[in-house]
Amino acid sequence: GQSLEQPSEVTAVEGAIVQINCTYQTSGFYGLSWYQQHDGGAPTFLSYNGLDGLEETGRFSSFLSRSDSYGYLLLQELQMKDSASYFCAVNSNYQLIWGAGTKLIIKP
Amino acid sequence: AAGVIQSPRHLIKEKRETATLKCYPIPRHDTVYWYQQGPGQDPQFLISFYEKMQSDKGSIPDRFSAQQFSDYHSELNMSSLELGDSALYFCASSPRDLNNEQFFGPGTRLTVL
Repeated sequence: GQSLEQPSEVTAVEGAIVQINCTYQTSGFYGLSWYQQHDGGAPTFLSYNGLDGLEETGRFSSFLSRSDSYGYLLLQELQMKDSASYFCAVNSNYQLIWGAGTKLIIKP
Repeated sequence: AAGVIQSPRHLIKEKRETATLKCYPIPRHDTVYWYQQGPGQDPQFLISFYEKMQSDKGSIPDRFSAQQFSDYHSELNMSSLELGDSALYFCASSPRDLNNEQFFGPGTRLTVL
């Protein structure tokens, strides 16, 4: 079967750093993507890792280890507007296979 | 910059009725994806099209059908609607040769009464 595991909820304080982990087991794998979704909004693309290592985009970074079937999203200098759900998704044969999402709660 | 357009944004239907959702991808994006997202759930992939041909099929019920037209817009047709079809329906598009990122439309919220 195909599955992605990520925590259902993470709580952090404004200005802090938070890491959201994702492990996956899929039949096809081209890369790992991360999407952000605010309540009632559309998913928006954050990052993509096709190769092992760290990708940095501003306050957000994403890491992939293909040998460990593991990745994470790192959010730095948290702001209240970062409160949202974060989904990891495996790019597999022109499809995205989604994790269940991690709800990030940020406290002042 | 142009984004994915979906219409209508909200739709209310009765059980057993039909609904048609429309999606206009970003210009020069040749691949369209349809997703269904229930409350508190992850997006469930329904179906995708590349160059007007169905390319992948996910958990799309037999009551639903979709197509992509010559201008690359796509329509999702839903028949014999059930209460459980109430959800947000997203369309996303990407260029085939750079499909690492999918661009999502704002979604259509379908409520079946």
